[in-house]
Amino acid sequence: EVQILETGGGLVKPGGSLRLSCATSGFNFNDYFMNWVRQAPGKGLEWVAQIRNKNYNYATYYAESLEGRVTISRDDSKSSVYLQVSSLRAEDTAIYYCTRWRRANDYWGQGVMVTVSS
Amino acid sequence: EIVLTQSPTTMAASPGEKVTLTCRASSSVSYMHWYQQRSGASPKLWIYETSKLASGVPNRFSGSGSGTSYSLTINSMETEDAATYYCQQGSSYHTFGAGTKLELK
Repeated sequence: EVQILETGGGLVKPGGSLRLSCATSGFNFNDYFMNWVRQAPGKGLEWVAQIRNKNYNYATYYAESLEGRVTISRDDSKSSVYLQVSSLRAEDTAIYYCTRWRRANDYWGQGVMVTVSS
Repeated sequence: EIVLTQSPTTMAASPGEKVTLTCRASSSVSYMHWYQQRSGASPKLWIYETSKLASGVPNRFSGSGSGTSYSLTINSMETEDAATYYCQQGSSYHTFGAGTKLELK
């Protein structure tokens, strides 16, 4: 059974940083691209970042609106993916979902809440 | 950046009614994916590569389209179909539409 579990959310002050983690199991992590997608309260979905697998040299891609403030990384030995977000703003308040990508975002975690507030 | 425009924003349908949701892209895309999100839950892949149903999706759902115009159709609305549906393209980065909220009438 595919399992995806995000951790690391919480309350952060404006200007602060946060590192989200996503632990996976139930599939061969090395074979897949991984994404982060976020959803602000009461709003729609926003793709944040993608990291490809070793076959694609771990290439990374970022949403234009966030580029420069986010870094996606992965550790294949731990079947985990990470998202570092810096210079946090109120508008970064959202549920952050980790997803597996094969043709589409075919599995989603339950999400982790990040609240940016003083 | 490719912008996806979904319509309608909100709609209500009666059980048994045929429903069509549309998604228009600002530039041509190769495929469209659709996700269903029920209130308080994570999104689920519903239709991928325009017309392929994800595992467990009832066959009253179908997807079609090409280029800049895509649609998701429910042949006969059921209670459990009430949810928000998002389209998403992966041709150029991964933008999502703003969603269509489908309610039960």
